[in-house]
Amino acid sequence: EIVMTQSPATLSVSPGERATLSCRASQSVSSNLAWYQQKPGQAPRLLIYGASTRATGIPARFSGSGSGTEFTLTISSLQSEDFAVYYCQQYHYWYTFGQGTKLEMK
Amino acid sequence: EVQLVESGGGLVPPGGSLRLSCEASGFTFNDFWMSWVRQTPGKGLEWVANIQGDGSVKTYVDSVKGRFTLSRDNAKNSLFLQMNSLRAEDTAVYYCARGWKVPPGVYFDYWGQGTLVTVSS
Repeated sequence: EIVMTQSPATLSVSPGERATLSCRASQSVSSNLAWYQQKPGQAPRLLIYGASTRATGIPARFSGSGSGTEFTLTISSLQSEDFAVYYCQQYHYWYTFGQGTKLEMK
Repeated sequence: EVQLVESGGGLVPPGGSLRLSCEASGFTFNDFWMSWVRQTPGKGLEWVANIQGDGSVKTYVDSVKGRFTLSRDNAKNSLFLQMNSLRAEDTAVYYCARGWKVPPGVYFDYWGQGTLVTVSS
């Protein structure tokens, strides 16, 4: 099983600042990585696929990078609606998710 | 607009059975893989099963193989998950999700709101 490890577990950032979230795979997943956003009481929402391609309707302030085992989700200027939990997911070999990073308002 | 609506969750004793349904709308259902993903506070998000658009290929996570059966009715735009021999560790919110096929796998581009399954005596 490919284990996905996200860091940090919790990230405190002020609105308007940049947030950088990390995801590491236990073995290479090439670019077969997606990022999701989940707000309380809601289903996950696809943000990024193919490690760096924004999904339909996702604002340009969200960007993804990386390949192989190291990936990053960057939110360039945090808006109030961006405070949520973020998950990475690999689809290179079966499907596994990271444990999530909670992005909270500082 | 893509919509996925799950139903069928509830409280069931260990060893019992439950059938989850997912009604899809807003897209050509038989063109897409469909999946179930579950979520618990302890284990987080866990992929459960996938089914190809025509129903010919089904894959399952090891922990549910032999107990869960995935099926679909393309004429009714519906996805089903028959869950037998349920265990306490199957307790979770179960999400229906549309899969976008990008070899070697799929990512999940639309999700339903989820249905809660509780396995307890």
